[in-house]
Amino acid sequence: GAVVSQHPSRVICKSGTSVKIECRSLDFQATTMFWYRQFPKKSLMLMATSNEGSKATYEQGVEKDKFLINHASLTLSTLTVTSAHPEDSSFYICSARGERESSYEQYFGPGTRLTVT
Amino acid sequence: GQNIDQPTEMTATEGAIVQINCTYQTSGFNGLFWYQQHAGEAPTFLSYNVLDGLEEKGRFSSFLSRSKGYSYLLLKELQMKDSASYLCAVMDSNYQLIWGAGTKLIIKP
Repeated sequence: GAVVSQHPSRVICKSGTSVKIECRSLDFQATTMFWYRQFPKKSLMLMATSNEGSKATYEQGVEKDKFLINHASLTLSTLTVTSAHPEDSSFYICSARGERESSYEQYFGPGTRLTVT
Repeated sequence: GQNIDQPTEMTATEGAIVQINCTYQTSGFNGLFWYQQHAGEAPTFLSYNVLDGLEEKGRFSSFLSRSKGYSYLLLKELQMKDSASYLCAVMDSNYQLIWGAGTKLIIKP
């Protein structure tokens, strides 16, 4: 099956610093990648959708200047949390969808737990 | 607006059967997904239904009725490892997933 990796799995950073999270599709080309955040005991909240080579589409209420998304290649998307604050602490999950549009399944990465102190 | 409803929490006994329901109202429909998510981990795919009827896959089955905007996930021969949250998600007309809040399933010995 399709494998998506995320790095790092856990990160602790200080307020005001920036953190980059990488999402890679290991054995398929991901034309579309999705970034979610999840608060404890809550469902996934879609932050943005990114297509390779174009600007990400952000969901309402998500600050694009704070959550920078780059989808530079068909196997890599990055999410950078800029000037992080404690309220940005969350579980961030990426998912990827392949080239075969008849297959709508999203393959999830293992997630990144961000703690901002 | 778009809405996915599923129970917040359910409890069942090891070895028994449990049915988790999901109702939806979305702008368009391109399929319904069920995912399993253990605490602290990312969701894993369980099933995808786009046509009415029952899809069986081992101990797990998923049912869809598009006319009723209704799906259920049926788990048989429950095992302790099935304790997890089960997320229902519908793909709308823009091929975007709309997520339910998840059902936390607690399995008791």
